[in-house]
Amino acid sequence: EVLLEQSGAEVRKPGESLKISCKTSGYTFREYWIGWVRQMPGRGLEWMGFIYPRDSDIRYSPSFRGQVIISADRSIDTAYVQWSRLKASDTAVYYCVRLRVLVGDSLGALDVWGQGTEVTVSS
Amino acid sequence: DIQMTQSPASLSASVGETVTITCQASQHIDSYLNWYQQKPGEAPNVLIYSASSLWRGVPTRFSGSGSGTHFTFTISGLQPEDVGTYYCQQYDDLPLTFGGGTRVEI
Repeated sequence: EVLLEQSGAEVRKPGESLKISCKTSGYTFREYWIGWVRQMPGRGLEWMGFIYPRDSDIRYSPSFRGQVIISADRSIDTAYVQWSRLKASDTAVYYCVRLRVLVGDSLGALDVWGQGTEVTVSS
Repeated sequence: DIQMTQSPASLSASVGETVTITCQASQHIDSYLNWYQQKPGEAPNVLIYSASSLWRGVPTRFSGSGSGTHFTFTISGLQPEDVGTYYCQQYDDLPLTFGGGTRVEI
């Protein structure tokens, strides 16, 4: 069974840093793009970016480039997203997602989702 | 970025009714469209890929159609467990973008 197990809820103050994780299992980590989707309170889904662990190629949404850093550790099959200076507007649930590239396509469906990590940024 | 516009934003229907949601893309995306269901308090799950193909294990009451810029998602015979929010998402190009969601209530 393919699983994405995310780290627990976090509470931080504005200006603080944060790194949340997504531990994967049940598949070959380096062969699938893995990334993050944000869901702000009561709002919809926003794709943040992906990393391809095999060669560390990273694609960011323009809305998140420069705001977060996505990384991966192939030795422990884990992906990360980090912030250097959090803002109140970063308050959201963050989902780790795996991209299943569909036959004949360069992209595809987000076929496996983590349980979500709730991040609260408040003074 | 490709903008995805979903309608309606919310709907209420009775058990057994047929429910239809539409999604319009700001530019031509062939059939590069997925539909997801997000039940309250849970992560989303993919239901439909490539506009009309049912993801494995998904009940056949869910279906999708369309290509180009206009897409439709249908629940034929709404069930109580279908309560949640449904999102379309294009994968014709990066950044991946989602529709605003449709909340389905009974």
